[in-house]
Amino acid sequence: QSALTQPASVSGSPGQSITISCTGTRSNVGGYDRVSWYQQHPGKAPKLLIYDVTYRPSGISDRFSGSKSANTASLTISGLQPDDEAAYYCTSYTDTTTLVLFGGGTRVTVL
Amino acid sequence: QVQLVQSETEVKNPGSSVRVSCKASGDNFRNFAYSWVRQAPGQGLDWMGGIIPLIRQAFYAQRFQGRLTITADESTTTAFMELTNLQSEDTALYFCARGGSGWSYLDYWGLGTLITVSA
Repeated sequence: QSALTQPASVSGSPGQSITISCTGTRSNVGGYDRVSWYQQHPGKAPKLLIYDVTYRPSGISDRFSGSKSANTASLTISGLQPDDEAAYYCTSYTDTTTLVLFGGGTRVTVL
Repeated sequence: QVQLVQSETEVKNPGSSVRVSCKASGDNFRNFAYSWVRQAPGQGLDWMGGIIPLIRQAFYAQRFQGRLTITADESTTTAFMELTNLQSEDTALYFCARGGSGWSYLDYWGLGTLITVSA
């Protein structure tokens, strides 16, 4: 099954806000509120930022927020900081035998 | 504090198999889902499958069906991933990760185990 669709790259200046999209279908993103987002710095394990579309785990900055409309979920990073430069991945539960789909990943560059 | 400690790097020959372990610390091992996610060099994350020890059931991504086996040992709070018939395309960093039983998030991750497949 195809991965969820994310833009390959997004960039922004320090202090700005950026939004990363994650497009699926009614079988995954559109049909379930089980979308999560991860940040991965090079050589590190991914880190959970958002779960169940909009919820932040304890310790995650409120500069990270999630939303969903129809088959597209979004991650917004506000007040962009140099340390936000990383790869970001979305996932969604899917009602197939595969169960979990990842997006292809988005490289965020802080200009 | 939850920690997932994975087994060490391995180099394997094409056609062989590999078994990677993931020991979980913390309480309630059986109530969570343990996923295996791999990342080929320079590539994105790819969910391979997972297991919920409470119901003793494993689930597999379709493309790994038939050559992937995921198990869990409650007595040692360890999850295992075995991949057979390894090919060069299986060279990757393999992560284990813990999540809710609804497969909606992965909140704790191991550091990854590098598997290199080379003749």
